[in-house]
Amino acid sequence: EDKVVQSPLSLVVHEGDTVTLNCSYEVTNFRSLLWYKQEKKAPTFLFMLTSSGIEKKSGRLSSILDKKELSSILNITATQTGDSAIYLCVATRGSQGNLIFGKGTKLSVKP
Amino acid sequence: DAGVIQSPRHEVTEMGQEVTLRCKPISGHNSLFWYRQTMMRGLELLIYFNNNVPIDDSGMPEDRFSAKMPNASFSTLKIQPSEPRDSAVYFCASSLKARGLATSTDTQYFGPGTRLTVL
Repeated sequence: EDKVVQSPLSLVVHEGDTVTLNCSYEVTNFRSLLWYKQEKKAPTFLFMLTSSGIEKKSGRLSSILDKKELSSILNITATQTGDSAIYLCVATRGSQGNLIFGKGTKLSVKP
Repeated sequence: DAGVIQSPRHEVTEMGQEVTLRCKPISGHNSLFWYRQTMMRGLELLIYFNNNVPIDDSGMPEDRFSAKMPNASFSTLKIQPSEPRDSAVYFCASSLKARGLATSTDTQYFGPGTRLTVL
């Protein structure tokens, strides 16, 4: 059965800390891996990763995919309280790009 | 762009009532997805449409759930009769699946969700 596992499930840090969120996947006919940020509303898109070893960056956020290890990490440097959210890791598979969601990592950034 | 629009944003209803959730995808997108989110199960795909045609409805929990997409700009998810265990946030998302652009079509844009409470 295809699955996406995220760790940790929950994380509490202080402003300024750097965090690393982990995602591992077991997906047949894997296509890509997506990261979403979900606050008290709908998930918002962060990154799409298709190639192994190529880091994608957006401000203080960066992510990389390791197809050999079937995993991805999302890094957030110099965290801010506005980074508090649930971060979803999503794998896509097949020609239709079906999505398999992880349960998410709940990040809380304290002032 | 207005993004994906869902209505209502919140609904509280009594067990046994019919519930209809509505979604307007991003203009030009040709794929539409309905998800349900609960604390226990996270985000679950219920059904998705491509060019208004249901492609995969294996996630629809039971016959009480039905979804339609009469045209490219509108979809409904109906629950009849509703039960307390249907209480969840229901998200609609849309994407553009363009032939020949396989790696650019996976990103889905989510609507704000409908929070459904069935008493």
